[in-house]
Order: sequence, then structure tokens, then C-alpha cells
Amino acid sequence: DIVMTQSPDSLAVSLGERATINCKSSQSVLYSSNNKNYLAWYQQKPGQPPKLLIYWASTRESGVPDRFRGSGSGTDFTLTISSLQAEDVAVYYCLQYYTTPRTFGQGTKVEV
Amino acid sequence: QVQLVQSGAEVKKPGASVKVSCKASGYSFTSDYMHWVRQAPGQGLEWMGIINPRDGSGSHTQKFQGRFTMTRDTSTSTVYMELRSLRSEDTAMYYCAKGEQWLVYWGQGTLVTVSS
Repeated sequence: DIVMTQSPDSLAVSLGERATINCKSSQSVLYSSNNKNYLAWYQQKPGQPPKLLIYWASTRESGVPDRFRGSGSGTDFTLTISSLQAEDVAVYYCLQYYTTPRTFGQGTKVEV
Repeated sequence: QVQLVQSGAEVKKPGASVKVSCKASGYSFTSDYMHWVRQAPGQGLEWMGIINPRDGSGSHTQKFQGRFTMTRDTSTSTVYMELRSLRSEDTAMYYCAKGEQWLVYWGQGTLVTVSS
């Protein structure tokens, strides 16, 4: 199974400042035949199911604010929130869909 | 609009079984895969398995081998997840989620509590 490791486990960021979350996979999730990274990012607020933010490592889901940016390739990925808003307080997860079983990172809690 | 509506909360005793349903609407039921994901209280997300509603085929994490089954009913656009031989550590919120690759739409979750 591919192990997804996020860092840090939690971070506190001032409103308007940048938040950076890292996700590392135990093996590459880049599919060479289409040059796509099989990596997604989710946001989960208390009492709610996760919400898709990013897929293909860097494609924002429709309706997701452009302050959310995904980057990286192969085994190392980053989710950046360029200017943290109060509504961005949540836990963020990466997910690899390169293979089954799908696997999530352990989550990163973002606080103000 | 796509909706996934799950069955209500369950309380079960250790050793019992639970069956959770997920009724889909707003799209062609057999056109997309369905996943099951669980989340223990205060913990992270754990992917459990995937089912193809078209033919009922699927796969799941080895961790649940022998006590986890996914089925579907195309006549009602519903997928089911059954977990047997429940243990206290199976206490969690169980989600269904739709998507062939990444999980796009999620159900509201079903809380399963295992307690004697």
C-alpha cells in the first residue's frame, strides 16, 4: 500500500498569512503514460464530510477559491493557502488515487 | 444535483453486524464508482473499499478481509456496506463517496457505535 505522510500535523497561521501543508507518498503517484499525478486534497470542517479542493495535484475543483493552490509531482506535494481566511480553519487531507487501496494522509489541522 | 443520502445512526453490540445504505440521485447510478470511507472519533480518514455499481465488482482494504461486504441495488440506486463481527474500534462515522478516481461527492455520514 502507498503510505501518505503529511507535515506538519498542525499549524497556526495568522489571518491573511500563508499556510503550507506538505504531503509525501511512499512511492510515486505520477502516471508516466499521461503525466498526471494521482493526488487530491480535501478540507474537512467539524461535523461535515470532507470537501474536495484539488485533484490531479494542482487542478482546483469548481467553486474553490483561488487562494488554494496545489503543487508538486512524483512523491512530494504541497497545498498552499495564500492568504488564510477564518473560514479556512479545518483539517486538510491528501489522498492518492494512483492505486487501490486508496490512502489518505493523516491530516493537518490548520488554526488561526 | 448529485445527492448521496445515507441511513441513520446505529448502535450495535460487539460481535454484531451493521449494514449501512447510501441512496444516490441526480446522476446515472451505474456511471460512477462508489467508495466507503470511515473516520473514528477525533481521527483521520480511512478508505475502506470501492464498488462498481454497474456490475457489483469491487475491492477493499485487506484490513477488513472476511468481514466487509459491499453490494448494490440498481433498482433503487442504492449501495450498501456491511461490516460483521463488530469491535469497539469499529465505532466511527461511515461515509459513502462517489468518484472513479478522486472522491467527488460525499454522503452525510452514518455514525456506527459499537458498545456493550
